[in-house]
Amino acid sequence: GAVVSQHPSRVICKSGTSVKIECRSLDFQATTMFWYRQFPKKSLMLMATSNEGSKATYEQGVEKDKFLINHASLTLSTLTVTSAHPEDSSFYICSARGPWGDTQYFGPGTRLTVL
Amino acid sequence: AQTVTQSQPEMSVQEAETVTLSCTYDTSESDYYLFWYKQPPSRQMILVIRQEAYKQQNATENRFSVNFQKAAKSFSLKISDSQLGDAAMYFCAYRRLIGGADGLTFGKGTHLIIQP
Repeated sequence: GAVVSQHPSRVICKSGTSVKIECRSLDFQATTMFWYRQFPKKSLMLMATSNEGSKATYEQGVEKDKFLINHASLTLSTLTVTSAHPEDSSFYICSARGPWGDTQYFGPGTRLTVL
Repeated sequence: AQTVTQSQPEMSVQEAETVTLSCTYDTSESDYYLFWYKQPPSRQMILVIRQEAYKQQNATENRFSVNFQKAAKSFSLKISDSQLGDAAMYFCAYRRLIGGADGLTFGKGTHLIIQP
């Protein structure tokens, strides 16, 4: 139980284009999902908290207009990187708060490369 | 703000031996959760063990156990009978117990190498 999927697993795009990453909780409903970013050989940094039916809460320093988050249903949150640039290249990982509310279950991550 | 410190960038242990990974944290709150996550080369984050701060008993999951010292703000992970599949990055993480902002704060990680 408590499986989270992400799609796509990797994406390469041209500078200036937008990329959408999906995060789904497959066997449970998640009112809250989280988006993290991980640079090579570094730790995970929380970018934003996504709440179903309301606006996302962004961490300090994260541009909300660049990283658009939508949590339209209890099983799906999306992260759209708008007007991507090479410095946005990174590993993006989502997580969903489990049905018992105290543990986060992580998706397999999405590697974004912006050329 | 909470901070999590893992002072060991890399640890190496012989297969079947025991290894302890250290983690300290800083918080002004009295109730919170602590976690150890494992990230193998696949990059999938896997929950290893969790501890509620209000519980005095140290959490145990098979070969994995923690030494939680609340007063010292220390949360170490002990891996017994190390196996080759334990090789991975290990991240210590903190989460507030209550309140809206409950994303995880991670340490920088410890790279665990298992020597056959």
